Amino acid sequence: DVKVTQSSRYLVKRTGEKVFLECVQDMDHENMFWYRQDPGLGLRLIYFSYDVKMKEKGDIPEGYSVSREKKERFSLILESASTNQTSMYLCASSLVLDYEQYFGPGTRLTVT
Amino acid sequence: TQLLEQSPQFLSIQEGENLTVYCNSSSVFSSLQWYRQEPGEGPVLLVTVVTGGEVKKLKRLTFQFGDARKDSSLHITAAQPGDTGLYLCAGPTSGTYKYIFGTGTRLKVLA
Repeated sequence: DVKVTQSSRYLVKRTGEKVFLECVQDMDHENMFWYRQDPGLGLRLIYFSYDVKMKEKGDIPEGYSVSREKKERFSLILESASTNQTSMYLCASSLVLDYEQYFGPGTRLTVT
Repeated sequence: TQLLEQSPQFLSIQEGENLTVYCNSSSVFSSLQWYRQEPGEGPVLLVTVVTGGEVKKLKRLTFQFGDARKDSSLHITAAQPGDTGLYLCAGPTSGTYKYIFGTGTRLKVLA
């Protein structure tokens, strides 16, 4: 079974803090994704990576950056957290870029 | 822009009832996936349909891909409280490597 883990289930940070969200997958997938999910807005793609050190912007990359130094690990960074970044963050991985995705349990981030 | 519209948006039913949710697009998809997301968790892949007209069954869940590969449906027989969650369809857009998710159907099954 594919397993995708995320570093925290719940996180509370203050405005202006630098926030790191980490995601690890154990299935040797090339592709990894970061989404945020908000009521009424669905799943929105922030960034994705198709190989180590390779990244592409998704639909809403502003205020975020990512890092992929190892194949199994994909990190999402909020350089200076703001209250409008309060959300559920979901990491996913896939064997094929535009095919079945496997998600982690999510991190519910609150920025106060 | 390819979109996946799901209906209904919300559904609240009693345990034991049957239901169908729909996923529609004006565009052709090479495949569609269905996911279920329980409250506070990440989406979990349920099934992939690839061939037009294909029907797949997963216990009490029946998935169908439209003949023209522009729509899909999920039918649940004798719904149980454990079926409660957000149901998402998703698929690859043509001409790009983009993968899109539908608008979702939020199902609540009351005991």
